[in-house]
Amino acid sequence: ESVLTQSPGNLSLSPGERATLSCRASQSFSSNYLAWYQQKPGQAPRLLIFDASSRATGIPDRFSGSASVTDFTLTISRLEPEDSAVYYCQQYHNSPFTFGGGTKVEIK
Amino acid sequence: QVQVVQSGAEVKKPGASVRVSCRTSGYTFTYYQIHWVRQAPGQGLEWMGIINPKDDWTDYAQNLQGRVTMTTDTSTATVYMELSSLKFEDTAVYYCMRDPGLGRPDTRRNYFDFWGQGTLVTVSS
Repeated sequence: ESVLTQSPGNLSLSPGERATLSCRASQSFSSNYLAWYQQKPGQAPRLLIFDASSRATGIPDRFSGSASVTDFTLTISRLEPEDSAVYYCQQYHNSPFTFGGGTKVEIK
Repeated sequence: QVQVVQSGAEVKKPGASVRVSCRTSGYTFTYYQIHWVRQAPGQGLEWMGIINPKDDWTDYAQNLQGRVTMTTDTSTATVYMELSSLKFEDTAVYYCMRDPGLGRPDTRRNYFDFWGQGTLVTVSS
């Protein structure tokens, strides 16, 4: 089973700042089969990024993803108040499809 | 537009079973596979399994094998997830999600583009 480790656990930043979220996989993928989701309190998660760097429909271009072997990064270039949420990464390289533990982003 | 609507909250006793429904609309039901994940209170996300509405093929997470059953009703474009022999630790919000596939039947990408609103299942004596 692929284990995904997200860091940091919590991030507190001001509007307009840049957020960098990390997701490290316990084994390398032969393909960039990694997605990122945003979850706000009391809501279902929402797909942001798939295939490590492709934005889902309707996602603002301030959200971007990148990959390097076993290290995946979600960058929010200019934080807005509505970006306050927990962000999860998910691998779909092999079953069972596992999630990271999440990074909580707080906007000051 | 694509919609995924789940049934309401449930309270069950240990050892009982629960069935959660997931009604879809806005797309061809048999073209897209459906996954389920759950989220215990204050915790992360756990993948439970997948079903192909075209032929009812399923793949379940190993730790739930024997207790989880996913089925479909093509006439109502609804997917069901039944979990039996409930334990306290099964208390969670259960989500169903559409797999985007590749735009044709029998394909899957194994990530999730449309989510239901979630169903809280509480196991309590």
